[in-house]
Amino acid sequence: GAVVSQHPSWVICKSGTSVKIECRSLDFQATTMFWYRQFPKQSLMLMATSNEGSKATYEQGVEKDKFLINHASLTLSTLTVTSAHPEDSSFYICSARPGDTEAFFGQGTRLTVV
Amino acid sequence: GQNIDQPTEMTATEGAIVQINCTYQTSGFNGLFWYQQHAGEAPTFLSYNVLDGLEEKGRFSSFLSRSKGYSYLLLKELQMKDSASYLCAVMDSNYQLIWGAGTKLIIKP
Repeated sequence: GAVVSQHPSWVICKSGTSVKIECRSLDFQATTMFWYRQFPKQSLMLMATSNEGSKATYEQGVEKDKFLINHASLTLSTLTVTSAHPEDSSFYICSARPGDTEAFFGQGTRLTVV
Repeated sequence: GQNIDQPTEMTATEGAIVQINCTYQTSGFNGLFWYQQHAGEAPTFLSYNVLDGLEEKGRFSSFLSRSKGYSYLLLKELQMKDSASYLCAVMDSNYQLIWGAGTKLIIKP
């Protein structure tokens, strides 16, 4: 199947700093990528849909100024958590679909804000 | 609103068979997916159903009834490594994935 690579796998940062997470589709072009957040023992929650060359579409309740998404190319989307706080600690996962079928997921990034 | 229901937790015995049900109500339907997710890892794709019926893939099978808004994932010859959460997701008319909360499957020896 298609491969989506996410980096880093885990990161610890101090409160108030920013963290950038990268999501790359390695063997296909993805005009759309999705960013999810998952708290322990909960399902995936869609944060935003990243569209190549245009602004991301954020889900209700997700602060666009806090979670900056950039989809500069057909194989790369980035999520920047700005001014992170302990409540932002979570598992962040990106996904992309080669077409309108199954989604392939990155490995996920475990963010811990101390 | 859109809704996906699946049991929170199930327990089964190694070597046995288990069926995980999923019911859904969504705005349109463009397919139903099952994913497996081990603790601390990203989900991995198991199956995709868009037409009614049973899709078999090794030890795993997935069934869909669009008229009933119902699907199940059937796992046979359970192994300890099958202990994981199983997520049901439906693709709606906008090709967005709507996720269930997941079913935690516990396998006992």
